Amino acid sequence: NAGVTQTPKFQVLKTGQSMTLQCAQDMNHEYMSWYRQDPGMGLRLIHYSVGAGITDQGEVPNGYNVSRSTTEDFPLRLLSAAPSQTSVYFCASRVGRGLTHSGANVLTFGAGSRLTVL
Amino acid sequence: GENVEQHPSTLSVQEGDSAVIKCTYSDSASNYFPWYKQELGKGPQLIIDIRSNVGEKKDQRIAVTLNKTAKHFSLHITETQPEDSAVYFCAASKGFKTIFGAGTRLFVKA
Repeated sequence: NAGVTQTPKFQVLKTGQSMTLQCAQDMNHEYMSWYRQDPGMGLRLIHYSVGAGITDQGEVPNGYNVSRSTTEDFPLRLLSAAPSQTSVYFCASRVGRGLTHSGANVLTFGAGSRLTVL
Repeated sequence: GENVEQHPSTLSVQEGDSAVIKCTYSDSASNYFPWYKQELGKGPQLIIDIRSNVGEKKDQRIAVTLNKTAKHFSLHITETQPEDSAVYFCAASKGFKTIFGAGTRLFVKA
């Protein structure tokens, strides 16, 4: 299994440009999420989804849009990139339902997408 | 919302020594506490987790303890090896949100 696949691995944008970070998982996980990782700040939750058509905000949602049209895909959109959005972005998924059984809460992360906004 | 504090931010130990990383959380309703290890250039991977109804869990050289009253949980790595060098994250989870600490960079010197 491929697990969680993120594209692109690296991207450089100019301020004001838009782009979409792609995330796909092949584990039939209902739950998917996006985090950003910044030095000294750990991983901060941007948006998450508990199933197709359902999304919700995390800790730092401003400046980002998401949608979930299929179980497999959860793209993250930056409509007008700002230098403050320079970061490494991680997509993560988990089973979602049956949260009490072993392994249900375990997040599987992608390899990350490094974004630089000039 | 939930806040997770993690200490220390950097930890350097000699090979064979023990390493301890401590975290505190703010939301008493959090009920699941995972620890993730991140190697350079990779995404974090789960190494051990503990639920709120358990006080301690061990897996070979790694153990985690949880004090619900004090809202503290800790990661203990014994007999450290150079391959334990990485960034470690604690997290607290309630429902569909998992909130991470800022991370601890562990160096194990051979």
